Amino acid sequence: NAGVTQTPKFQVLKTGQSMTLQCAQDMNHEYMSWYRQDPGMGLRLIHYSVGAGITDQGEVPNGYNVSRSTTEDFPLRLLSAAPSQTSVYFCASSPITGFRTEAFFGQGTRLTVV
Amino acid sequence: KNEVEQSPQNLTAQEGEFITINCSYSVGISALHWLQQHPGGGIVSLFMLSSGKKKHGRLIATINIQEKHSSLHITASHPRDSAVYICAVMVGGAQKLVFGQGTRLTINP
Repeated sequence: NAGVTQTPKFQVLKTGQSMTLQCAQDMNHEYMSWYRQDPGMGLRLIHYSVGAGITDQGEVPNGYNVSRSTTEDFPLRLLSAAPSQTSVYFCASSPITGFRTEAFFGQGTRLTVV
Repeated sequence: KNEVEQSPQNLTAQEGEFITINCSYSVGISALHWLQQHPGGGIVSLFMLSSGKKKHGRLIATINIQEKHSSLHITASHPRDSAVYICAVMVGGAQKLVFGQGTRLTINP
């Protein structure tokens, strides 16, 4: 099993550009989520999904879109990048809704918006 | 006030020392996670606790539900234990993890 795979690892965008951060897991997990990590702050939830076709907003959803067309994939789209979206992004998955078992995280995507 | 508070924020110790990192939370939870993040690396799950105590190698995690407090202990610390340790709670009834700010641990040889 590859676990949770995030791509790319690094990305530089210009303000106003759009892009998609990819997240895939091969563990047949129901629950997938996206977080951003900023200096001095804990990870914050952007969006999450409890299964294919179901998504919901987290704590900081503005400027981001998600979809869950398959169990395996949960891409995060930045619609029009802003410098405030410079951050490290993590995707995570869990076999049961809400991390009541072990959580699995991707390696992270370091995004810089200039 | 953050729902999850960790202490200390930074900890430097010598190899071999016994390490304790604390996590206090102010909400009802269904589970608590301890995570490890190495510099430039991803996040790895160390423990998931809902009660009592768990041990894995030199790492021990405890939780006191009544006091809303958890501790992560490292025995015989080693430089390779240097990392950021993150406490995260699964808020009861909600479908989200709430994270502490992390504790940066440095173990010197």
